[in-house]
Amino acid sequence: AQSVSQHNHHVILSEAASLELGCNYSYGGTVNLFWYVQYPGQHLQLLLKYFSGDPLVKGIKGFEAEFIKSKFSFNLRKPSVQWSDTAEYFCAVTVTDSWGKLQFGAGTQVVVTP
Amino acid sequence: DVKVTQSSRYLVKRTGEKVFLECVQDMDHENMFWYRQDPGLGLRLIYFSYDVKMKEKGDIPEGYSVSREKKERFSLILESASTNQTSMYLCASSSGVHSYNEQFFGPGTRLTVL
Repeated sequence: AQSVSQHNHHVILSEAASLELGCNYSYGGTVNLFWYVQYPGQHLQLLLKYFSGDPLVKGIKGFEAEFIKSKFSFNLRKPSVQWSDTAEYFCAVTVTDSWGKLQFGAGTQVVVTP
Repeated sequence: DVKVTQSSRYLVKRTGEKVFLECVQDMDHENMFWYRQDPGLGLRLIYFSYDVKMKEKGDIPEGYSVSREKKERFSLILESASTNQTSMYLCASSSGVHSYNEQFFGPGTRLTVL
């Protein structure tokens, strides 16, 4: 069965620091990759996704992610974080012909200190 | 804007009770999903539905059932609630058949089973 691994469960960093969250998946077929974010008290929402084309994907709020097929990875990055980026971040995967069933990683809680 | 609503934000039930969690979406989406979210485990798919009266088991269907009598409504049923079903329950919806389509999430129902 496919699985998704997020490398860090908790990350604490200061404003203006750079952020990189690791995500690896285990599936050999064609995948679609997502990063979802859950801000405190808010709905889970899509940050960005990759399904084809340029492996460097840009999302909302200055986030980007790079799909590296050979490494089965989809790492999330942001060059300079803000206090408002404090949230829980989830990497997720679907496979073709799966009705969009998402397989989520365990999540990474990111705390940005002023 | 897509809106997914869930009937309750917080629910407290007793062991053995039958529990209904309701989800409604207003964007005519074909697909609807129920997940549970637990710390350190991310989100896990319980059931999903790709059409009225159609349902498919997810990764953790044991102890749950679902009902989809109308396109906009997807209900999760705990036939006999147990303490290990204490969790946050998230409903989501998406359109079409493409597995890269975004899922839109509701606010969640935090269920406590005593």
